[in-house]
Amino acid sequence: DTAVSQTPKYLVTQMGNDKSIKCEQNLGHDTMYWYKQDSKKFLKIMFSYNNKELIINETVPNRFSPKSPDKAHLNLHINSLELGDSAVYFCASSPSARLGTGKRSPLHFGNGTRLTVT
Amino acid sequence: AQKVTQAQTEISVVEKEDVTLDCVYETRDTTYYLFWYKQPPSGELVFLIRRNSFDEQNEISGRYSWNFQKSTSSFNFTITASQVVDSAVYFCALFMNRDDKIIFGKGTRLHILP
Repeated sequence: DTAVSQTPKYLVTQMGNDKSIKCEQNLGHDTMYWYKQDSKKFLKIMFSYNNKELIINETVPNRFSPKSPDKAHLNLHINSLELGDSAVYFCASSPSARLGTGKRSPLHFGNGTRLTVT
Repeated sequence: AQKVTQAQTEISVVEKEDVTLDCVYETRDTTYYLFWYKQPPSGELVFLIRRNSFDEQNEISGRYSWNFQKSTSSFNFTITASQVVDSAVYFCALFMNRDDKIIFGKGTRLHILP
């Protein structure tokens, strides 16, 4: 069973189009995230949701809109795609937004969606 | 401000050599959490280690070891007797409960040459 699944794995589209990336987790986690990894491999957080409520919204263009219909899903919708949006987008989930003791990774990542805008 | 610096952009070593990946962090908090993740060529992110700032012992896991030094705000990662399969991008990361998010360094691309 895949813990955090993203679809599609690859997405090729033209400038100006609107597209969505879906993310689902079956871990029962309360918190979900979207990270963007650019061509230089830099990983940067975009959004986080806790129990369907927006917690973090980094400096991301308004064209990007996350939607969380329930706490197991966090979809990313992108309007009017631009060349600079080409990247790998990672969804992740976490049991909660706070850490205590323990040795596990707080984040469980999906396998990423490679978005190419032409 | 909180920050993670991985000064080594790219490293190449010959197989069986030891290699250390550097990580320096900045935080004002006394409680924080540090991580290393591996991203092989296939692209997925693989968790390697978590270090809580209040833990005492350094970690060893097989050929991997981590050296946490609060005095220098560093959390370095050493691979002993490197293998070609260790070739990947390695990320150091920092988390504070106050911020609710993990901040990643820019990564170090490691090439292990046969």
